[in-house]
Amino acid sequence: SQKIEQNSEALNIQEGKTATLTCNYTNYSPAYLQWYRQDPGRGPVFLLLIRENEKEKRKERLKVTFDTTLKQSLFHITASQPADSATYLCARAPDPSGNTPLVFGKGTRLSVIA
Amino acid sequence: ETGVTQSPTHLIKTRGQQVTLRCSSQSGHNTVSWYQQALGQGPQFIFQYYREEENGRGNFPPRFSGLQFPNYSSELNVNALELDDSALYLCASSSGTPASSGANVLTFGAGSRLTVL
Repeated sequence: SQKIEQNSEALNIQEGKTATLTCNYTNYSPAYLQWYRQDPGRGPVFLLLIRENEKEKRKERLKVTFDTTLKQSLFHITASQPADSATYLCARAPDPSGNTPLVFGKGTRLSVIA
Repeated sequence: ETGVTQSPTHLIKTRGQQVTLRCSSQSGHNTVSWYQQALGQGPQFIFQYYREEENGRGNFPPRFSGLQFPNYSSELNVNALELDDSALYLCASSSGTPASSGANVLTFGAGSRLTVL
């Protein structure tokens, strides 16, 4: 079955450093990967979408990469701030036709320490 | 533009009871998906509705059922509640067609926290 895994359950970093979160998938490469942020007791909020033919996507302090050889996406937050503390989820569409819903990883809980 | 609203926000039920959760999708969105999120886990797909028809279902038993209405709002019904059904139930809406699901961005509600005792 198609799987999506986020290796780290939790990541602690110092304010101002770059946080790097990892998302790995199995079997075929999805056409798209998406990243969401979730705060405690709230629903996930969309951050970025990257297509398989895009190596990198940026939005303000956020950067996502997509490596189809390694079957991996990396999510970077530069100049991290305590307000960036949250759980970050990656998601993929599991079916090659795209006609199936998004499947989410377990998430990585990021804590930015002042 | 209003986002996705879910009700109730919290509820407590006992084993064997039935529950109905409600979701109003974001204006302009025609697809609603429901997810179950246990503590410390990622959201697990339950099912999706597109134009009032179920369009895809995850690994959940038939006692999980749903509806989508002409205004694209939706309900999730769970019968014969079990302790393991305790979770945050998330509703998400999106535009586009299910065939392009990988590119469809989901807008989530804040969720309904169900506790089964």
